[in-house]
Amino acid sequence: KAGVTQTPRYLIKTRGQQVTLSCSPISGHRSVSWYQQTPGQGLQFLFEYFSETQRNKGNFPGRFSGRQFSNSRSEMNVSTLELGDSALYLCASSRGQGRGTQYFGPGTRLLVL
Amino acid sequence: GENVEQHPSTLSVQEGDSAVIKCTYSDSASNYFPWYKQELGKRPQLIIDIRSNVGEKKDQRIAVTLNKTAKHFSLHITETQPEDSAVYFCAASINAGGTSYGKLTFGQGTILTVHP
Repeated sequence: KAGVTQTPRYLIKTRGQQVTLSCSPISGHRSVSWYQQTPGQGLQFLFEYFSETQRNKGNFPGRFSGRQFSNSRSEMNVSTLELGDSALYLCASSRGQGRGTQYFGPGTRLLVL
Repeated sequence: GENVEQHPSTLSVQEGDSAVIKCTYSDSASNYFPWYKQELGKRPQLIIDIRSNVGEKKDQRIAVTLNKTAKHFSLHITETQPEDSAVYFCAASINAGGTSYGKLTFGQGTILTVHP
């Protein structure tokens, strides 16, 4: 089975721009969670989607949003980028419904200049 | 919300020694505790997990113990090898029957270095 994939792998943006990141889960997985990883804050939960519905949201500003499609692929969007948004953005997929093992994608490294 | 504390932040051992990493959590409703290993430039990889109805779980050189009363869990690696060198993260979440809450709260990570 193919693992979790994320595109793009690297991105360079400037302050004020917006960005969209994509995540394709493992086949059969219906839950996708997003995390931000930085050296200072570690791994922080952004949000989780299951069956196209947002089930959980972390403590991030409204500039961070996401969605999930009927094929379980997910996107996250960050608007009005700030320097502090530079990070590795990881998504993780799981089966959902009580089977919570999460498998991570390789991440998208975002640099905001 | 849940808070997970992880110690130590760095751990240096000689090859063949054991390594122990400890985590405490705050939310007594948490019932699922995975451990991830992240090598430099790579994705976090699940190495072992434990659910709250189990006190200990082993997989070859790796074991995890859970003390629900004290709200702490630990990772034990025996006979360490240089390839065990990585950052290790503990995490906690709530998995309710019929529904998976895919929100992992992570500890700050432990940089493990195994010297040959």
